[in-house]
Amino acid sequence: EPEVTQTPSHQVTQMGQEVILRCVPISNHLYFYWYRQILGQKVEFLVSFYNNEISEKSEIFDDQFSVERPDGSNFTLKIRSTKLEDSAMYFCASSAEGSGGYTFGSGTRLTVV
Amino acid sequence: GEDVEQSLFLSVREGDSSVINCTYTDSSSTYLYWYKQEPGAGLQLLTYIFSNMDMKQDQRLTVLLNKKDKHLSLRIADTQTGDSAIYFCAESSTNNNDMRFGAGTRLTVKP
Repeated sequence: EPEVTQTPSHQVTQMGQEVILRCVPISNHLYFYWYRQILGQKVEFLVSFYNNEISEKSEIFDDQFSVERPDGSNFTLKIRSTKLEDSAMYFCASSAEGSGGYTFGSGTRLTVV
Repeated sequence: GEDVEQSLFLSVREGDSSVINCTYTDSSSTYLYWYKQEPGAGLQLLTYIFSNMDMKQDQRLTVLLNKKDKHLSLRIADTQTGDSAIYFCAESSTNNNDMRFGAGTRLTVKP
């Protein structure tokens, strides 16, 4: 069964450093998403991406965040200057259509120290 | 804002049925989902239902939707210890393409 692949599975970074979280969506999917889950809290929407541009973003997705699809397979989330409160599990997802049938990756656990 | 609510804990005995409930507030919700999260793992889509459906059955899983009351439930028949996980209810609408999740229900299955 097709999977969404995320790397790395764990990342520890120092406050103020930049991190790039990587995702390989399912190959024939057109919509891409990033969600995050702070420990013990709800899964929260960050951003959706379609046709090489951001289609929607939440209040969480401020100027320190950016997304990119640098080639035909990867979808990345960059956090420019990490803060302690960015520590969370970050999930990438993709879907063939704009809603319904999202497939999530297994997540990247980001720890900011 | 729109919200999705779930009870936080459910404990059942192996072999019993589990029923996990969810309520939502967005009347324009089009799709409603159930995801399973095992410890340290990602979100596994179990099933989803369109808002014009009342029920969907898939092997041991039965989803019931009461659109009038904005109530969604997931029934797991013959619950096994391997079903122990956190179950998330989520919804999305055609107005936007993000999803809103509940806080998750931790299901514990006792032998």
